[in-house]
Amino acid sequence: EVQLVESGGGLVQPGGSLRLSCAASRFSFSDYWMSWVRQAPGKGLEWVANIKQDGSEKYYADSVKGQFTISRDNAKNSLYLQMNSLRAEDTAVYYCARLVSSSGWKFGWYFEYWGQGTLVTVSS
Amino acid sequence: SYELTQPPSVSVSPGQTARITCSGDALPKLFAYWYQQKPGQAPVLVIYKDTERPSGIPERFSGSSSGTTVTLTISGVQAEDEADYYCQSADSSGAYVFGTGTKVTVL
Repeated sequence: EVQLVESGGGLVQPGGSLRLSCAASRFSFSDYWMSWVRQAPGKGLEWVANIKQDGSEKYYADSVKGQFTISRDNAKNSLYLQMNSLRAEDTAVYYCARLVSSSGWKFGWYFEYWGQGTLVTVSS
Repeated sequence: SYELTQPPSVSVSPGQTARITCSGDALPKLFAYWYQQKPGQAPVLVIYKDTERPSGIPERFSGSSSGTTVTLTISGVQAEDEADYYCQSADSSGAYVFGTGTKVTVL
């Protein structure tokens, strides 16, 4: 069974930085797009960022563009999210997820497997 | 970007059928996906490509699509199905959108 384990969350002051990690196992990490999705306390799910298998393409939600950076190290089977200039509204559980495409008479992408999440709290 | 609209809540008695709708203008062109999230847990994929069920998901979960609306149906609801359910879609521009979420309460 695919395993994704996030780490690096914690309490950070407004304006601070944090780097999240996601350790992937039990699948060929370098073969998949990967994503970060977050969920503010008591709120719904919000996609944050995606990265292609070789790291050559990255996409971000408008809410984090220029503030967060997604990266990966295929040799270490790890996904990262560098978060800078953090604000209270960035407080959330951050999940890493494996991203898969669908094709057929329509198309789309979905989050096939999720980690258990890591909580980031931005507060003074 | 676009929006996916779900009812905030659905209540159902055990053994009955729960239907959760998700509406979005792009759904005639894009597949929809459904996730179940129980309190304190990560989301779990229950339906992909509008109607397909991943292995390990009970047969009582099914999906359908008609025009701008997709529907998640839980037939013979069990107490363990009480959870939040989110639809999700994506487009070629790289935007990924989740629905507003529906809380299913088993009475």
